[in-house]
Amino acid sequence: GEKVEQHESTLSVREGDSAVINCTYTDTASSYFPWYKQEAGKSLHFVIDIRSNVDRKQSQRLIVLLDKKAKRFSLHITATQPEDSAIYFCAASKYNQGKLIFGQGTKLSIKP
Amino acid sequence: NSKVIQTPRYLVKGQGQKAKMRCIPEKGHPVVFWYQQNKNNEFKFLINFQNQEVLQQIDMTEKRFSAECPSNSPCSLEIQSSEAGDSALYLCASSLYWGYAEQFFGPGTRLTVL
Repeated sequence: GEKVEQHESTLSVREGDSAVINCTYTDTASSYFPWYKQEAGKSLHFVIDIRSNVDRKQSQRLIVLLDKKAKRFSLHITATQPEDSAIYFCAASKYNQGKLIFGQGTKLSIKP
Repeated sequence: NSKVIQTPRYLVKGQGQKAKMRCIPEKGHPVVFWYQQNKNNEFKFLINFQNQEVLQQIDMTEKRFSAECPSNSPCSLEIQSSEAGDSALYLCASSLYWGYAEQFFGPGTRLTVL
């Protein structure tokens, strides 16, 4: 079945630097790729998403890149702030199957 | 901020006992998903609904798990006979439509099976 691999289990960056989290997927039919943030003891909070008809999307400090050929997508957080510290999950789904397949999560720590 | 409501927040059951949890989706969201997040942060999709109709479910759900989303009542997920391996965070999510739609997650029900 469809798998989503999240390459970095932990990531530590200095405040103000950029953080990049990478994911790959296996099913070429996947066409929707959201990212979620989970802070300690809390639920998933939607961050940003990208559909397969574009290869880049930006929302303020967040940029998502999609490389359909390589079946890879990534989340770039620029000018990181302490409140960016959390676990980030990538996910993928097919248009005709709303269920999300999640990656294993990346724990992002922002150092002062 | 998500307005998906899940109750109870914590549930403790003995092996073999029934465990039932509820979810009220965001107002106007006809699509509801249930996921299981284990202690290793692995997610498993369980079942989803559009209005009251089951659209997809995994095999595990068909056997020991039952779920429903009745009209004008909370959705529910029930484990008929809890096992230690069912200990996890159960997340309910809702969305406006099928397909490319942001899923809004509730706070989850943390189930511990002793």
